[in-house]
Amino acid sequence: DVKVTQSSRYLVKRTGEKVFLECVQDMDHENMFWYRQDPGLGLRLIYFSYDVKMKEKGDIPEGYSVSREKKERFSLILESASTNQTSMYLCASRGRAVSENTIYFGEGSWLTVV
Amino acid sequence: EDKVVQSPLSLVVHEGDTVTLNCSYEVTNFRSLLWYKQEKKAPTFLFMLTSSGIEKKSGRLSSILDKKELFSILNITATQTGDSAVYLCAVRYYGGATNKLIFGTGTLLAVQP
Repeated sequence: DVKVTQSSRYLVKRTGEKVFLECVQDMDHENMFWYRQDPGLGLRLIYFSYDVKMKEKGDIPEGYSVSREKKERFSLILESASTNQTSMYLCASRGRAVSENTIYFGEGSWLTVV
Repeated sequence: EDKVVQSPLSLVVHEGDTVTLNCSYEVTNFRSLLWYKQEKKAPTFLFMLTSSGIEKKSGRLSSILDKKELFSILNITATQTGDSAVYLCAVRYYGGATNKLIFGTGTLLAVQP
């Protein structure tokens, strides 16, 4: 089974702090994604990466950056956290093959910015 | 604008009822439609649909896609309290240089004993 692990499940940070959310997958997947999930808005794509050191902006990249130095690890960075970034963040991964349409999610990171 | 719309937004039923969840979409270069179940944690995969009219079935859950009318339904028969969750629909499509995935806002299903 694919395993996508988000190391921080629950975080409380102060406005202006730098926040790192880490995600690791164990299936050698090329594609990795960061979403945030908010009530009434569903899942929205922040950034995705299709290979090491490659990244693409999603629908809501403002206020975020990402890092993909190793294939198995995709980090989401909030340079200066703000209260409107309080949300649940989901990491996901997917293989490159045409048959691998399914994406696999981590368990989520609940971030509260106060 | 590419979008995925799910209905109803929420639903309350009693155990044993049958429910139908709807997902309509507007995207160009459609690739596949996926259904996920999300309880307290991350979404878990249910079905992937790529062809019209072919029902996918897993136990009490089934789903079908209509690519002409651009929608899919997820049916749950003989509902149980363990079916209570948010059900997410997502559509994978080719957008520009890459494949993209867009989610609906989900349907919150509550099954009462």
